[in-house]
Amino acid sequence: DAKTTQPPSMDCAEGRAANLPCNHSTISGNEYVYWYRQIHSQGPQYIIHGLKNNETNEMASLIITEDRKSSTLILPHATLRDTAVYYCIATSSNNNDMRFGAGTRLTVKP
Amino acid sequence: ETGVTQSPTHLIKTRGQQVTLRCSSQSGHNTVSWYQQALGQGPQFIFQYYREEENGRGNFPPRFSGLQFPNYSSELNVNALELDDSALYLCASSLTRPDTQYFGPGTRLTVL
Repeated sequence: DAKTTQPPSMDCAEGRAANLPCNHSTISGNEYVYWYRQIHSQGPQYIIHGLKNNETNEMASLIITEDRKSSTLILPHATLRDTAVYYCIATSSNNNDMRFGAGTRLTVKP
Repeated sequence: ETGVTQSPTHLIKTRGQQVTLRCSSQSGHNTVSWYQQALGQGPQFIFQYYREEENGRGNFPPRFSGLQFPNYSSELNVNALELDDSALYLCASSLTRPDTQYFGPGTRLTVL
């Protein structure tokens, strides 16, 4: 799995878009970018994943740069319930495990 | 459709004891992975089971062992508990391997 780098913490105002960056400069061609989040002491929750193209679902959008060396998770209208630790993971389709780093602690403020 | 469930929710053991944690996969999922999450850290991969066979293992000693049953539920067994085994233990299931993993709520193990 490629190493990922995320800022340790970020703040966002309620109702605004939260843009969480992730650097994965050593990502290889068969590695997907996955995003999970973990609300205090609960199990990680799957958010979204992608390979090359931008992806959107009911929770978030994932923007992957053309060279695939970085990506951004976008929560379009953050709410207080989006306060959590967000993990970006690069993993190939052949891997068994998700290698979690320290993640970004997002705090949504009223 | 039920999600991944784990039991028990919390557990307290003493050093040297043995513990068994249980996980029921999401309906239709044949692959189960176990993770250990120490306080303040991200989850660390322990091992994965696919169709009742171990299919990959992280950097954990042999006293961490597991089973997967024909109904794809799973157990994590830890022998000779140490204080450092205190952690949140997470189970994740996926439709097949490899695939998106969906996590359960975890079991909080405290070793005294």
